[in-house]
Amino acid sequence: EDKVVQSPLSLVVHEGDTVTLNCSYEVTNFRSLLWYKQEKKAPTFLFMLTSSGIEKKSGRLSSILDKKELFSILNITATQTGDSAVYLCAVFMDSNYQLIWGAGTKLIIKP
Amino acid sequence: DAGVTQSPTHLIKTRGQQVTLRCSPKSGHDTVSWYQQALGQGPQFIFQYYEEEERQRGNFPDRFSGHQFPNYSSELNVNALLLGDSALYLCASSWDIQETQYFGPGTRLLVL
Repeated sequence: EDKVVQSPLSLVVHEGDTVTLNCSYEVTNFRSLLWYKQEKKAPTFLFMLTSSGIEKKSGRLSSILDKKELFSILNITATQTGDSAVYLCAVFMDSNYQLIWGAGTKLIIKP
Repeated sequence: DAGVTQSPTHLIKTRGQQVTLRCSPKSGHDTVSWYQQALGQGPQFIFQYYEEEERQRGNFPDRFSGHQFPNYSSELNVNALLLGDSALYLCASSWDIQETQYFGPGTRLLVL
């Protein structure tokens, strides 16, 4: 069965800390892995990763994919209270054009 | 450039009733996917519409049905509502089979 597993499920850190969120997957016909941030309702797109070992960066956020070990990490440096959200990982499958989602990591940044 | 829009934002229904949720995709997008997100869970894929036809379907009963119109907007219908249907319903649009999907604000459905 295709699955995406995120860890930890929740994380509480202080402003300024660096966090690493994990996403592992077991799917058939992998095409890409996507990270989204969900604050209130709509998930907003962060990164899409297709190639192993190539880091994607956007400001304080970065992500990398390991297609051999079947996982991805999302790093956030110098965290701010505005980074508090649920971070969702999803894998896109070529066989049926579906996104399979993890349960998310709830990140809380304390001032 | 309008993003994905959904209506209504909130809805309260009772068991056994029927509900219709609406979605307009982002400009230039032709594919609409619907998801159900229970509290504390990731989105669960319901189905996807492309060229006015259901292209893919997740593991949801036939009580869940949909439609896509020529202007690419879409509806999600749920019949015979159950308490367990209470969730956030998200619509996402994309261009054909491209991976990156853009989400609407969702409809929060509460079934009493």
